[in-house]
Amino acid sequence: QPVLTQSSSASASLGSSVKLTCTLNSRHNNYVIAWHQQHPGKAPRYLMRVEISGTYNKGSGVPDRFSGSCSGADRYLTISNLHSEDEADYYCETWDGDSHVFGAGTTVTVL
Amino acid sequence: EVQVVESGGGLVQPGASLRLSCAASGFTFSGYWMHWVRQVPGKGLVWVARINSVGTYTDHADSVKGRFTISRDNARNTLYLQMNSLRTEDTALYYCARGASTWNDEGGLDHWGQGTLVTVSS
Repeated sequence: QPVLTQSSSASASLGSSVKLTCTLNSRHNNYVIAWHQQHPGKAPRYLMRVEISGTYNKGSGVPDRFSGSCSGADRYLTISNLHSEDEADYYCETWDGDSHVFGAGTTVTVL
Repeated sequence: EVQVVESGGGLVQPGASLRLSCAASGFTFSGYWMHWVRQVPGKGLVWVARINSVGTYTDHADSVKGRFTISRDNARNTLYLQMNSLRTEDTALYYCARGASTWNDEGGLDHWGQGTLVTVSS
């Protein structure tokens, strides 16, 4: 089963950028992942899928300032021009033959 | 508009049973894998179970295997989670989510419901 590792927290100033990392374990380092956003007390929201090529496909209505990329076993979510409403938890997800797996999530604070 | 709406949560005692439902609309329900994911308030997302588009194949997380059963009724556009032998550690918000339309469920969960709270306590 894949294992996804995320930093517990990240912070950046309003209007700046933040880059979140989701790292796959070595045995599964060529897996595709998805990113989700969750505001406190709300349901998760699908943001995008990040391919191993580094290309990404966003969900409907996801702002342009959200982008994805990858390098080796790392999958990234970059939020540019941070808005106050970007303060939330961000989870990565991947899938295997018989299950889906989530990372522990990163809490983003907008300063 | 794609919508999934969960119901059926509540307060039950350890050892009891509960059935969750998820009503889907706005898409061809019978064309998609469907999933249940749970979250203890303040903690992370944990995948629970999935079912293929026609209801012939299921997978369950080890933590619920043998106690929980995912199923679906495509005529009613409804997903279910039958939960038996409930434990205090099953207390969580349970989300229904849409999976992929591919034969092998290759993709992330792209639409989520608001969740239904299950509390297991004596």
